[in-house]
Amino acid sequence: DADVTQTPRNRITKTGKRIMLECSQTKGHDRMYWYRQDPGLGLRLIYYSFDVKDINKGEISDGYSVSRQAQAKFSLSLESAIPNQTALYFCATSRSGGYTDTQYFGPGTRLTVL
Amino acid sequence: GQQVMQIPQYQHVQEGEDFTTYCNSSTTLSNIQWYKQRPGGHPVFLIQLVKSGEVKKQKRLTFQFGEAKKNSSLHITATQTTDVGTYFCAGGAGGGSEKLVFGKGTKLTVNP
Repeated sequence: DADVTQTPRNRITKTGKRIMLECSQTKGHDRMYWYRQDPGLGLRLIYYSFDVKDINKGEISDGYSVSRQAQAKFSLSLESAIPNQTALYFCATSRSGGYTDTQYFGPGTRLTVL
Repeated sequence: GQQVMQIPQYQHVQEGEDFTTYCNSSTTLSNIQWYKQRPGGHPVFLIQLVKSGEVKKQKRLTFQFGEAKKNSSLHITATQTTDVGTYFCAGGAGGGSEKLVFGKGTKLTVNP
């Protein structure tokens, strides 16, 4: 079984709809991240969480919100989706450590906003 | 804020040719990591470099971390079609900031 799972894997929605992307992990990691990938722009950090009670904004948090329901679960919401939020979204996890630790990525959710 | 620049954005090679991608940070890094993303896949960790001037090898892949810990490179010797994908560097700022800042990636295509 995959250590980091994301649901749904693909989603097509309309402008103005509320969307939730879910991430679950069985790696026992404390730290979880949401990234957005657009062609030519690499991976950009949306939000990250170092434990259940810790939520931090990344470089592109506007229009997004997150919820850390448990150590293993981290959800990303688009309150009112817009077309420029069409992208590939990745969840990632890492352990706590002195150095920035290796990140383990989920398979991704491809979101299309019409 | 911290920026990580990666060049080239695209590289097309003939199978058997060498390939290099370069990464430069605007600030000193605590460590740098390299990831590979196959077409249609997700980023997968390759290696982490921590020490100034560090060089690590994985078969045909050679990774270097600059003396000033602000730049890094990934060199692939004699590329194969299995090397196709996008290679990302990611820099850790350290100093209590445990985030990674990713470069935009280099997309490698290999002509058999």
